[in-house]
Amino acid sequence: QVQLVQSGAEVKKPGSSVTVSCKASGGTFNNYAVIWVRQAPGQGLEWMGGIIPISGTTNYAEKYQGRVAFTTDGSSTTAYMDLSSLRSDDTAIYYCARSLKSRSWYDPLDLWGQGTLVSVSS
Amino acid sequence: DIQLTQSPSFLSASVGDRVTITCRASQAISTYLAWYQQEPGKAPKLLISAASTLQSGVPSRFSGSGSGTEFTLTISSLQPQDFASYYCQQLNNYPFSFGQGTKLEIK
Repeated sequence: QVQLVQSGAEVKKPGSSVTVSCKASGGTFNNYAVIWVRQAPGQGLEWMGGIIPISGTTNYAEKYQGRVAFTTDGSSTTAYMDLSSLRSDDTAIYYCARSLKSRSWYDPLDLWGQGTLVSVSS
Repeated sequence: DIQLTQSPSFLSASVGDRVTITCRASQAISTYLAWYQQEPGKAPKLLISAASTLQSGVPSRFSGSGSGTEFTLTISSLQPQDFASYYCQQLNNYPFSFGQGTKLEIK
């Protein structure tokens, strides 16, 4: 049974960068898209975009263009999200999630990581 | 961007009640809509895809309907484990936005 295991909580200063990892434990991302979603404290869910690991194709929400990068390792078992120029309003739980059936952006998300809290504070 | 508006934002109900949550899209999205349940401190869980397709393992008391701009999630008989937050998500146009959420509380 594949599980998505994310890296631990981070505390960052404004202006710095953070990397969150997402490992497919017990499998790979070969046949799926990996999507990143964030949730500010007490708030709703926000789609950030994602990557299709087998091709390296990325899709970024316009709001994050130029500030976020999604990558994977060569074996398509770990995905990464890099977010730069951090601000206090980037404080949130960041989730990775896997598309339901295929390497399609249009699939809903059926497998989620446990979330990584990124706190940005001076 | 497509806006999804859920109503109500908060819902107080009792075990055994039938409840309905509505999700309205700012433009037509066919049936490219999913519903998720999120318990406090946990990741979301996919309940329904393509507006009405119940995911494997999800109890049959959950059902979804709708197309175009109006969608509903219905829980036919609330169980204690159903008290959580619920989100709709559109998968028709980038960015694939979520509704603001509906928090279902025990009365």
